[in-house]
Amino acid sequence: DAKTTQPPSMDCAEGRAANLPCNHSTISGNEYVYWYRQIHSQGPQYIIHGLKNNETNEMASLIITEDRKSSTLILPHATLRDTAVYYCIRKNYGQNFVFGPGTRLSVLP
Amino acid sequence: NAGVTQTPKFQVLKTGQSMTLQCAQDMNHEYMSWYRQDPGMGLRLIHYSVGAGITDQGEVPNGYNVSRSTTEDFPLRLLSAAPSQTSVYFCASNIKGHREAFFGQGTRLTVV
Repeated sequence: DAKTTQPPSMDCAEGRAANLPCNHSTISGNEYVYWYRQIHSQGPQYIIHGLKNNETNEMASLIITEDRKSSTLILPHATLRDTAVYYCIRKNYGQNFVFGPGTRLSVLP
Repeated sequence: NAGVTQTPKFQVLKTGQSMTLQCAQDMNHEYMSWYRQDPGMGLRLIHYSVGAGITDQGEVPNGYNVSRSTTEDFPLRLLSAAPSQTSVYFCASNIKGHREAFFGQGTRLTVV
């Protein structure tokens, strides 16, 4: 039970922002939202995580709604190298990461 | 800083053979875990450890054993390989708290 819902696939034009949605309507107060991606068959790569405030790092931005029931990962200027499967995971302290099927993002030239 | 290192990268086994997949991390992380990933699917947790001497089962533990004698190493043992264990195996480590996990590059195992 991945406990999050993501669209199975999305396309994005190169150079445009990629906005990947995630639904986690039953998230508890202490659970964080994590985003990972997996390029080809490599090991998952950490992108960003947050609790309730919006977060930004060198890779992406994470926007969490005020009620925390959903979030959006934003890749501001997608490149072909951003083509990957993106996983949204909710996790509490001491829990393990549970991966669902994720969203397959295709960045198109 | 090597991070999480898995060996071997590729392995072919015959049904019934045994082998150990190695995982080592040099970040002094307390938590380590093993996942398997079948084609077109997400990762599924096999076993995990919250510290040296402590291991526990994940979602799909049958057919696998683990031990954690040191903080750095977390080997995964297949006692009698079966074709259903053909998969890509990933090891991960993380520190306590609300922090990210670091993954190895995987071991691609084929059981014939």
